[in-house]
Amino acid sequence: DTGVSQDPRHKITKRGQNVTFRCDPISEHNRLYWYRQTLGQGPEFLTYFQNEAQLEKSRLLSDRFSAERPKGSFSTLEIQRTEQGDSAMYLCASSYGQGEYEKLFFGSGTQLSVL
Amino acid sequence: RKEVEQDPGPFNVPEGATVAFNCTYSNSASQSFFWYRQDCRKEPKLLMSVYSSGNEDGRFTAQLNRASQYISLLIRDSKLSDSATYLCVVNIDAGKSTFGDGTTLTVKP
Repeated sequence: DTGVSQDPRHKITKRGQNVTFRCDPISEHNRLYWYRQTLGQGPEFLTYFQNEAQLEKSRLLSDRFSAERPKGSFSTLEIQRTEQGDSAMYLCASSYGQGEYEKLFFGSGTQLSVL
Repeated sequence: RKEVEQDPGPFNVPEGATVAFNCTYSNSASQSFFWYRQDCRKEPKLLMSVYSSGNEDGRFTAQLNRASQYISLLIRDSKLSDSATYLCVVNIDAGKSTFGDGTTLTVKP
């Protein structure tokens, strides 16, 4: 399977715990994105990487969120001190980086539930 | 006001019907436009890009009106398998795609 893969598929945690998600993009893609989606809403942009460089981070993203993409390959998204409002589907996507005509390829997402 | 707005629907249509969705965007500097399809509990998948001259892919036609800042998607001869949520996507610059909240379509036998 050469698509975008995310792990885990589901995560249940207690409020205040830290969680980390992993994304493996399509191997030849140099851009990697993180989005968050809640029921009835469209995906909301969180951050993106061009190779290993984090180029943009949403102003909506609190300091509890951090993302890395060491060596420009897989990426991790960490949420510290989780809150119930963090419950959502976290989607990773990758692309070739073709300028404004970006076509995003999404993974199946990680569903986070904070109790 | 959201950057990308869509009528949430739901649109309930019989098989064979023609249905159209509209989407408006607020930033006149937007560069590129897309429609994505999202099935229930699945990830979004690219349906088609939207070009200034309009474009067609089988039963699907996308149009862009830059002056009025809206995008449309027309589905002809609806199939049961077209039932999904259709997401309008706008890129202001490279690297950040802004999604609408989607329009839900249910095609009934």
